[in-house]
Amino acid sequence: EAGVVQSPRYKIIEKKQPVAFWCNPISGHNTLYWYLQNLGQGPELLIRYENEEAVDDSQLPKDRFSAERLKGVDSTLKIQPAELGDSAVYLCASSLGGGDSYNEQFFGPGTRLTVL
Amino acid sequence: AQSVTQPDIHITVSEGASLELRCNYSYGATPYLFWYVQSPGQGLQLLLKYFSGDTLVQGIKGFEAEFKRSQSSFNLRKPSVHWSDAAEYFCAVAPSGGSYIPTFGRGTSLIVHP
Repeated sequence: EAGVVQSPRYKIIEKKQPVAFWCNPISGHNTLYWYLQNLGQGPELLIRYENEEAVDDSQLPKDRFSAERLKGVDSTLKIQPAELGDSAVYLCASSLGGGDSYNEQFFGPGTRLTVL
Repeated sequence: AQSVTQPDIHITVSEGASLELRCNYSYGATPYLFWYVQSPGQGLQLLLKYFSGDTLVQGIKGFEAEFKRSQSSFNLRKPSVHWSDAAEYFCAVAPSGGSYIPTFGRGTSLIVHP
């Protein structure tokens, strides 16, 4: 079974340019997460989707970041315009969703963004 | 809000030696606790978790962790380290009765000498 797929794996852009990251979760996983991992730090949640609905986006900087999950499967995270401080690894994760029980999150390999 | 402290940024051990990675948490009640491993170029993988019950938790790859309420700790251990264990290890905490969304520590980098 394929794991969480992310692309691109690496991206280098100049500041003020837009950038987008794509995530394909594990088949059947209704919950999708985007995390930001700065160098030398643990991941921090940016947004969580239950199917196509964003149920927790309190940590997403909405002035420049946006996300969507059309049809409740693939998701795209966008930054426009990018700033130097956005250089980081962007992780996507997915889990079986819904209800009050625990479902393990499975992480993708991440997209490493470098903003010059 | 909950928080996690991993006091060691780097740990170096010899292959075959025992390992203990430290983790302290801050939370008003008994939280949900996790250890993840991140190998270079790969996503995080869950090693083990503690929700309740037996305070000694067994995980994958020969790892175990012990929850000590009195010390607010959840240290990760392995009796004999293999070179393939070299990676970044993250302790995480989630509020009990919540959405199980973890708050991660900053990580400990494990270096294994042959």
